[in-house]
Amino acid sequence: QVQLQESGPGLVKPSETLSLTCSISGGSFSDYNWIWIRQPPGRGLEWIGSIFKSGSNNYNASLKSRVTISVDMSRNQFSLRLTSVTAADTAVYYCAEGVRWSDYWGQGTLVTVSS
Amino acid sequence: QSALTQPPSASGSPGQSVTISCTGTSSDVADYKFVSWYQHHPGKAPKLMISEVNKRPSGVPDRFSGSQSGNTASLTVSGLQAEDEADYYCSSYSDNNRVFGGGTKLTVL
Repeated sequence: QVQLQESGPGLVKPSETLSLTCSISGGSFSDYNWIWIRQPPGRGLEWIGSIFKSGSNNYNASLKSRVTISVDMSRNQFSLRLTSVTAADTAVYYCAEGVRWSDYWGQGTLVTVSS
Repeated sequence: QSALTQPPSASGSPGQSVTISCTGTSSDVADYKFVSWYQHHPGKAPKLMISEVNKRPSGVPDRFSGSQSGNTASLTVSGLQAEDEADYYCSSYSDNNRVFGGGTKLTVL
């Protein structure tokens, strides 16, 4: 059973960079494709981007200029970087498996953008 | 990518059936047969309930079923139980992208 765990700072200042890591257990990065999703307070889910087991990426067009998703194979982790954050980036961030549908999800981590 | 459209709320009494709709476009829901549905209890990880329009993962009760007609997908919960009260999200794959609905809060009266 694959398990995912997000980690990273819970508070980020405006204009700075949000960085989160998703640790994979019970499986290997190279077994699946992976995604990041977020949920702003009181709103629905938003797909941020995908990283394929090949290492290639695809990003939400609305965030593409600010987002990077990368992998650390040695640690069986993948990461999210979101630059120039504003209050609108405050959300619960989830990592999950699967590009077409997602069987496995992390519990989510709340990131607040505030000075 | 535009979000899929879901009703903000739905409700039913125990034992009843309720259907939640999810409307997309010809570029996502209608064009790809990769609509999925997720149950989300606040503070917990979303749970996959339906994949590929109407496939139930192992362990999901057969009270949950999915269907699709044109641009609209639907999730039906039959024989409502108290534990079904949650937020439900639809999602569609579209040309290497994913799009989600705004979510529907299901209340069991």
